[in-house]
Amino acid sequence: EPEVTQTPSHQVTQMGQEVILRCVPISNHLYFYWYRQILGQKVEFLVSFYNNEISEKSEIFDDQFSVERPDGSNFTLKIRSTKLEDSAMYFCASSEATRRETQYFGPGTRLLVL
Amino acid sequence: KNEVEQSPQNLTAQEGEFITINCSYSVGISALHWLQQHPGGGIVSLFMLSSGKKKHGRLIATINIQEKHSSLHITASHPRDSAVYICAVPIIQGAQKLVFGQGTRLTINP
Repeated sequence: EPEVTQTPSHQVTQMGQEVILRCVPISNHLYFYWYRQILGQKVEFLVSFYNNEISEKSEIFDDQFSVERPDGSNFTLKIRSTKLEDSAMYFCASSEATRRETQYFGPGTRLLVL
Repeated sequence: KNEVEQSPQNLTAQEGEFITINCSYSVGISALHWLQQHPGGGIVSLFMLSSGKKKHGRLIATINIQEKHSSLHITASHPRDSAVYICAVPIIQGAQKLVFGQGTRLTINP
């Protein structure tokens, strides 16, 4: 069964460093999403992406964040200058164009900013 | 007011018990997700439903769109069912972002 994959599974970085989190969505899906979950808190929407542009973003998704689909398979989330409060689990999801309400989640990347 | 509310927040039961987790939401939706989050943090989608009832093995999910309420039931619970169960609702704003409940932490003791 096709699945969303994410790399790395864990990343530790120093405050102020740039990180890139990678996702490979399901191949025929056209909508892509990033969510995050700070330890002990709810999962929160960050951004959705369609047709090579952001279609919606939350107030969390400020100028420090960017998303990109650099090739036909990867979907990346970049944090330019990490802060301690960026430590969280980051989930990628994808959905078909005609069934956007059904999202498939990746296993997550646990980011720790020191 | 939270858009998605789950109850209970924590639930501990003995193996074999029938489990019910509830989700109420305040926004208009087309469908609702039930997700399972394992102790390691990974999320697995259990159900997406827009009406009635769905069953998968020992898991049953029901939804009442008029009452804006959904329940997740586990029959013959087992310690491996121990996880956090999360209800999520898509907000119909073009890209269908999901709004999540706070999760219900289920522990099944042998």
